[in-house]
Amino acid sequence: QVQLVQSGAEVKKPGASVKVSCKASGYTFTTYSIAWVRQAPGQGLEWMGWISTYNGNTNYAQTLQGRVSLTTDTSTSTAYMELRSLRSDDTAVYYCARDFGEGDAFDIWGQGTVVTVSS
Amino acid sequence: VVLTQSPGTLSLSPGERATLSCRASQSVSGTYLAWYQQKPGQAPRLLIFGASSRATGIPDRFRGSGSGTDFTLTISRLEPEDFAVYYCQQSGEIFGQGTKLEIK
Repeated sequence: QVQLVQSGAEVKKPGASVKVSCKASGYTFTTYSIAWVRQAPGQGLEWMGWISTYNGNTNYAQTLQGRVSLTTDTSTSTAYMELRSLRSDDTAVYYCARDFGEGDAFDIWGQGTVVTVSS
Repeated sequence: VVLTQSPGTLSLSPGERATLSCRASQSVSGTYLAWYQQKPGQAPRLLIFGASSRATGIPDRFRGSGSGTDFTLTISRLEPEDFAVYYCQQSGEIFGQGTKLEIK
């Protein structure tokens, strides 16, 4: 079945970096873009950025510009999100999601990866 | 564009009708308006895209409508599993703050 499976929980110190993976299966990876969304504890959804799995083009949220990088490895159908210079307010659940091309809606979501930033 | 959802919390009983609002700070294209449901500890689930098209497997009690700056998600007869938080989204990048639908 179509699914996105993310890597496991991470605990990082302030100033460190984290890299979360998102492995796609059940469909042709390069057909649909991947978006990343995060959710701080008890808060709403925040879009982080988007990557074209076809050509690698990216678009990042202005609030994260310079700290976030989205990449893909088409040989393994895996997308990656790296966030640098972590702060305590980066503590959140990080989701990858498939943009299925209908009005930029996200039809398939990963299970989420908890990233905790604490000294 | 800012999306403002109302009410913040909606308390209803199973079998009742729920009406959730999503208002945009300026006119937006309905083509790019989506609704999601999120239950505790779970990833969001796509309900509606293009303002009014139901995603695969979504029951027909969920209906999306609206245009311009005002969009609505209506759940015709609430089932116990419908109590959750609902988010609207515009152009993939902008989310509303959410409406919590709780059991009265």
